[in-house]
Amino acid sequence: DAEITQSPRHKITETGRQVTLACHQTWNHNNMFWYRQDLGHGLRLIHYSYGVQDTNKGEVSDGYSVSRSNTEDLPLTLESAASSQTSVYFCASSNGINTEAFFGQGTRLTVV
Amino acid sequence: EDQVTQSPEALRLQEGESSSLNCSYTVSGLRGLFWYRQDPGKGPEFLFTLYSAGEEKEKERLKATLTKKESFLHITAPKPEDSATYLCAVQANSGYALNFGKGTSLLVTP
Repeated sequence: DAEITQSPRHKITETGRQVTLACHQTWNHNNMFWYRQDLGHGLRLIHYSYGVQDTNKGEVSDGYSVSRSNTEDLPLTLESAASSQTSVYFCASSNGINTEAFFGQGTRLTVV
Repeated sequence: EDQVTQSPEALRLQEGESSSLNCSYTVSGLRGLFWYRQDPGKGPEFLFTLYSAGEEKEKERLKATLTKKESFLHITAPKPEDSATYLCAVQANSGYALNFGKGTSLLVTP
């Protein structure tokens, strides 16, 4: 079955370190998204991509970057991790207009 | 700026006690309104998409409706397994990303 997977599921890192969260989907979807979920804020959009070599900033993009070198993967990089980036991160993908997004299981990131 | 507001923040129901969750929205050109269910420690799971005012969709004990300003998720005779956080999101004509509300946490007790 097609799916979307995130790795790792849990990570603890130190302030100032570079961290990369992986997202891989096997639906061949053009659209991929990264969200973070925090108590009191709900899901907020970090970055998104509508195809290979396309990336766009979302609502809370400062301190994050993405790259899209193929259809299946959209890794999220925290350039220099900060405590404010402690959160649960969700990757999602969708295809076409008016279609639902499918979400991964999430990565819980703790920055100490 | 697009805004999605869900109410109530939390709802506790007895098994069999029907109720409704509200999602009010402002968006510059609605492409679609989405309902998701999220269980603790998991990613959101898609439930419904509504595209135009007056549209309704049903799935088991859940029914979603849409007006020009809000959407309702009606839960009929809920069971404990319906306990979850329900998320509402809008997709604007300007793009494919979803703008989420903060969710309603539903607890159904036996």
